[in-house]
Amino acid sequence: DGGITQSPKYLFRKEGQNVTLSCEQNLNHDAMYWYRQDPGQGLRLIYYSHIVNDFQKGDIAEGYSVSREKKESFPLTVTSAQKNPTAFYLCASSIQESAYNEQFFGPGTRLTVL
Amino acid sequence: AQSVSQHNHHVILSEAASLELGCNYSYGGTVNLFWYVQYPGQHLQLLLKYFSGDPLVKGIKGFEAEFIKSKFSFNLRKPSVQWSDTAEYFCAVRTGGGNKLTFGTGTQLKVEL
Repeated sequence: DGGITQSPKYLFRKEGQNVTLSCEQNLNHDAMYWYRQDPGQGLRLIYYSHIVNDFQKGDIAEGYSVSREKKESFPLTVTSAQKNPTAFYLCASSIQESAYNEQFFGPGTRLTVL
Repeated sequence: AQSVSQHNHHVILSEAASLELGCNYSYGGTVNLFWYVQYPGQHLQLLLKYFSGDPLVKGIKGFEAEFIKSKFSFNLRKPSVQWSDTAEYFCAVRTGGGNKLTFGTGTQLKVEL
């Protein structure tokens, strides 16, 4: 069963702690993306990666970091520098970093910082 | 930078009513346009997309959207909504190279029986 998995579904952390969100895909997609979804603000792009060992900042990268050591994995770390980390985080992937390829989304991780 | 506006934040309709959700974008060049839907508890999924050609595009579940270049709009329509259409709908735009999408703020649609 192909798709994108994100774990955990819900995550709680204390303020000041770094936390890493998992994103795995078995679709053999080259490109992967991280979005943040806040009520009334839609989805905003945090980071994206076109290919293994390469990634680019999106519109709201401050306070976040990523790695792309394997094609199927694109973990996102929310650092203590992120001023307002509580949000719903969505991971997506597409065959290539091309406009004609649909982005497929994972189920999301809801992060709450206490 | 490009932006996407969805002016209807919350819409409540009765079953069988017609639906039109507005989407406007600000970008003067070539655009690709998308509507995504997020049903309660489910993944965000593609409803329909426009790249070129016929400006009236048809998607899944009876949805359609019309690209009007002169109005910078890509409104979503459905002639007769069902209770199962209750969801959040997002308009998205791709401009320039690559596959980076800019999303609108979303419209929460509630369909009442």
